[in-house]
Amino acid sequence: DVKVTQSSRYLVKRTGEKVFLECVQDMDHENMFWYRQDPGLGLRLIYFSYDVKMKEKGDIPEGYSVSREKKERFSLILESASTNQTSMYLCASSPIGQAGANVLTFGAGSRLTVL
Amino acid sequence: AQSVTQPDIHITVSEGASLELRCNYSYGATPYLFWYVQSPGQGLQLLLKYFSGDTLVQGIKGFEAEFKRSQSSFNLRKPSVHWSDAAEYFCAVGETNTGFQKLVFGTGTRLLVSP
Repeated sequence: DVKVTQSSRYLVKRTGEKVFLECVQDMDHENMFWYRQDPGLGLRLIYFSYDVKMKEKGDIPEGYSVSREKKERFSLILESASTNQTSMYLCASSPIGQAGANVLTFGAGSRLTVL
Repeated sequence: AQSVTQPDIHITVSEGASLELRCNYSYGATPYLFWYVQSPGQGLQLLLKYFSGDTLVQGIKGFEAEFKRSQSSFNLRKPSVHWSDAAEYFCAVGETNTGFQKLVFGTGTRLLVSP
């Protein structure tokens, strides 16, 4: 069963800590995404990557960075966590191709609480 | 820029009754359109997609959606709702005319199913 795996389902961190959220996919997909999900706001794109070592800012990149050193792994980094980054974080991947690239496969999510 | 509007935050339907969830999009070109479902504590699962062709598309779990270009709508329907359909539903639009494809999501509609 193909899937996207997010290593941590629940995390609690303190303000100012550096936080790593890891995502691994086993579908050999080129594209990977990090979304943030908040009640009433839906999903908002933080960063995406269309190839190893390539990254593009999404709609809300401030306060975040990403790393993609291997095709299957896409990490989201909060350099100095703040309380307004308390949220559900969803990783997704998709293949390339005009139509197929939009068909995202999601991980189960990582719920981050910053105290 | 494209956008998606889901006007209903919550909808309650009796089990066995029909369901229609509304979705309106804003996009200049021919859109790719999607419905995803999120069960509690889970990531998003693709229900159905529209790329081209027949404007009535069938998805998993007995769902269907109809693309109406004149109304910029892509409403989701199900003839008879089951208690297990209680979840949050997201409509999304994908770009079709850029070098990289990404999705823009609506804010979601939470479906409650009453006995």
